[in-house]
Amino acid sequence: SQQGEEDPQALSIQEGENATMNCSYKTSINNLQWYRQNSGRGLVHLILIRSNEREKHSGRLRVTLDTSKKSSSLLITASRAADTASYFCATAVNDYKLSFGAGTTVTVRA
Amino acid sequence: NAGVMQNPRHLVRRRGQEARLRCSPMKGHSHVYWYRQLPEEGLKFMVYLQKENIIDESGMPKERFSAEFPKEGPSILRIQQVVRGDSAAYFCASSPTPTGELFFGEGSRLTVL
Repeated sequence: SQQGEEDPQALSIQEGENATMNCSYKTSINNLQWYRQNSGRGLVHLILIRSNEREKHSGRLRVTLDTSKKSSSLLITASRAADTASYFCATAVNDYKLSFGAGTTVTVRA
Repeated sequence: NAGVMQNPRHLVRRRGQEARLRCSPMKGHSHVYWYRQLPEEGLKFMVYLQKENIIDESGMPKERFSAEFPKEGPSILRIQQVVRGDSAAYFCASSPTPTGELFFGEGSRLTVL
């Protein structure tokens, strides 16, 4: 069964707006990672947040982690057309095995 | 510094044939992972290998599927006697350590007719 579940399944926003997507998971984790996948391509790592961290930033990305609620959020600020992609959260239950959710498809309209 | 290289990118097989997918990890990476992605779904873990060793194959079907990562050459995911349900994108990833981020290839898309 999937460990991570993203919400919403799909998101359509105007260029310049912020995009927020959430990830909920079921069991304790070592870390949680977010990946981006452009259509027909491989996954690209965006950010990793460890279980003892609450917030992390990378450029226009902000990730939060609430281990008490078993949830994480990814915020993309000032979105661009190039941000159009699917975004996946992946939880690391043990050292090496990642469990991916079904993803959030983000469409940024020009 | 080349990324993870997978080939072929697209593969068409008839039911009952064999599919062989290859993955060359990034330079300096000795940890290789195979994941499968069905349409509109996330990736599902199949197998984790280090050079000449299968560490965890818990996500791989017991029959028809096998994986290897020899001392020399790429990692191979082999699917024997393919069925239509094997149609999917197969992604290989590598990492320098078993923890942390994974570096993914562009995937091999298998279509079984």
